[in-house]
Amino acid sequence: GAGVSQTPSNKVTEKGKYVELRCDPISGHTALYWYRQSLGQGPEFLIYFQGTGAADDSGLPNDRFFAVRPEGSVSTLKIQRTERGDSAVYLCASSLTSDTRGYTFGSGTRLTVV
Amino acid sequence: KQEVTQIPAALSVPEGENLVLNCSFTDSAIYNLQWFRQDPGKGLTSLLLIQSSQREQTSGRLNASLDKSSGRSTLYIAASQPGDSATYLCAVRRVGGSEKLVFGKGTKLTVNP
Repeated sequence: GAGVSQTPSNKVTEKGKYVELRCDPISGHTALYWYRQSLGQGPEFLIYFQGTGAADDSGLPNDRFFAVRPEGSVSTLKIQRTERGDSAVYLCASSLTSDTRGYTFGSGTRLTVV
Repeated sequence: KQEVTQIPAALSVPEGENLVLNCSFTDSAIYNLQWFRQDPGKGLTSLLLIQSSQREQTSGRLNASLDKSSGRSTLYIAASQPGDSATYLCAVRRVGGSEKLVFGKGTKLTVNP
C-alpha cells in the first residue's frame, strides 16, 4: 500500500477484555515497529520485527502484551485483560532494513479502556 | 539508559517569526537523530534525519543541526506559518543492536496569524 495502515482507528473496550490492533506496513518493508504514546508523552518503543520474527521485544510492559507477524507483512498487537492504564495511542511504523531515511508511521489506534 | 529532553514544552509565536526548538540526549553513542511532526490525532511525519556523521540537514524552511559530542540538536524553522502549528518530536537511535527510537516528549508549537 501507499502508507502504513492501522485498524481500527479508535477502540473502546471494557476493563478486563481482550483486544487486537492491526498494522499493515508499506509493501516490501521488512522491518515493523510498535510504539505506545500516552497523553502528553512521546512514543515509547514496544517491539520490533525483522521479517516474521521479533528481533527486540524489550519494550513490552508485561506478559499481557503480545505481538505477531506470521507472514512477515501484517502485524497484530494483542492485549489481554486490558487495564485502564493501557489507554493510549498505539503507533505502528515500517521501514526498509537498509533505509536511512527513517521510519514511516501509521496514524495509530486510539485505545480507551473504560 | 538514553533520555531525550525537549525544551520548551510549548511555544507560541506570531506568524513570520524565526524559531528554534531544542533537543538534548544523554548518551552520545547515537546512530542517527530524527525530527518528526505530529498533528492532533494523527501519526508522525518524518521531517529530517541526521546521521551521526553529519552536522546538519535542510529541507525547505527547516534546518536541523546535530552536535553529537554535546548531546544536542536544534530544529530551526524560518518564517513560521500558521500551518506549522503542531507538536515537534525529536528521536534518537543508538549505535549497535537495537533499532528502536527513543523519543522526547515534544514541543507544542502554535503559530498565530
